[in-house]
Amino acid sequence: NAGVMQNPRHLVRRRGQEARLRCSPMKGHSHVYWYRQLPEEGLKFMVYLQKENIIDESGMPKERFSAEFPKEGPSILRIQQVVRGDSAAYFCASSPPPGHHWGYTFGSGTRLTVV
Amino acid sequence: AQKITQTQPGMFVQEKEAVTLDCTYDTSDQSYGLFWYKQPSSGEMIFLIYQGSYDEQNATEGRYSLNFQKARKSANLVISASQLGDSAMYFCAMREPPNFGNEKLTFGTGTRLTIIP
Repeated sequence: NAGVMQNPRHLVRRRGQEARLRCSPMKGHSHVYWYRQLPEEGLKFMVYLQKENIIDESGMPKERFSAEFPKEGPSILRIQQVVRGDSAAYFCASSPPPGHHWGYTFGSGTRLTVV
Repeated sequence: AQKITQTQPGMFVQEKEAVTLDCTYDTSDQSYGLFWYKQPSSGEMIFLIYQGSYDEQNATEGRYSLNFQKARKSANLVISASQLGDSAMYFCAMREPPNFGNEKLTFGTGTRLTIIP
């Protein structure tokens, strides 16, 4: 049973380009969370999605960031017109329905570097 | 709003000694969950241990135990017989009660643990 798969593992973008980060949840998991980790900091919640629905995006920057979790395929975190401050590690986690802490599993993260 | 505080930015511990990593939290919720994660230099987040707010006994997982003191709002991680492979960043995190299924985590700033041979 494969874990949470994130790709790419490393992503380099020039300022102004778009970054697309992908997350495939564990089989049977229908809840996806995205977190951002700036250098030397803890993870910060960005967005929570269920299939085809954004439930909580209270941690998402108001501009340039968007997320989706379509009926088929992985969840996508999209960052438009990237800036140096977007350089960070972006982690995805997936879970089954609430109440099962052992199901809350993180992917290995995507390290975005903006040059 | 929930808050997690880890007051030890870095710790150095001799191999085979026990180590305690501090974590205090602040919440007005009665139902919550507390997690500890390990992040080695390779970057992945590894789940170590979980404590529910209503659990009466302290959680244990192998060499890891969680010293849960609810009245003090503390959830310290204890690692017994430390090993070189324990060198990593350690994060304490709190889960909010589910809200429309939302179980997002609030993380502390972490403690960098270095085990000395």
